[in-house]
Amino acid sequence: GAVVSQHPSRVICKSGTSVKIECRSLDFQATTMFWYRQFPKQSLMLMATSNEGSKATYEQGVEKDKFLINHASLTLSTLTVTSAHPEDSSFYICSARTGSHNEQFFGPGTRLTVL
Amino acid sequence: AQSVTQLDSHVSVSEGTPVLLRCNYSSSYSPSLFWYVQHPNKGLQLLLKYTSAATLVKGINGFEAEFKKSETSFHLTKPSAHMSDAAEYFCVVSLNQAGTALIFGKGTTLSVSS
Repeated sequence: GAVVSQHPSRVICKSGTSVKIECRSLDFQATTMFWYRQFPKQSLMLMATSNEGSKATYEQGVEKDKFLINHASLTLSTLTVTSAHPEDSSFYICSARTGSHNEQFFGPGTRLTVL
Repeated sequence: AQSVTQLDSHVSVSEGTPVLLRCNYSSSYSPSLFWYVQHPNKGLQLLLKYTSAATLVKGINGFEAEFKKSETSFHLTKPSAHMSDAAEYFCVVSLNQAGTALIFGKGTTLSVSS
């Protein structure tokens, strides 16, 4: 099946710094990528949807200036958490979808801890 | 509006006994439904999906689910639990036919004891 990777798998940063998380589709071209956030013991919440070459669409309540999403190619999307605060600590999961399938393929997730 | 409800937040079974994880959905049209499994600190793995073909869907690792429109249910079952099945399970409904908008249930934690 299709493989999606995320890097890094785990990151710890200081409050006020910015962190970039990469999401790559390894063996297919992802026309659409999605970013989710998961708090401990809770379900996934969609943060934003990005299509290659265009601006991301953010869900209500998600600050687009804080969570910068770039989808510059068909195999790479990045999420940058700017000026991170401890409340941004969470598990961030990306997924990718091709235009020919109605299935999303999920990455392994990135654990962000902001001190 | 589309929604999904997982009826049990936690299910405990003994190894070798059947597993039943319950899911009800609400949809204004014939939905696409999915079950995903998540092991601790891991991403989601697709177990199976229903997309208006056969109502009994077989997935990986011996899991299956039956789409029952009259009951608006999509329960996940497995005849015999294995220790490695212990994980978090999410029932998911697609908001559109394209599968670009997913609504996740709150999850069911499956514990398996020896």
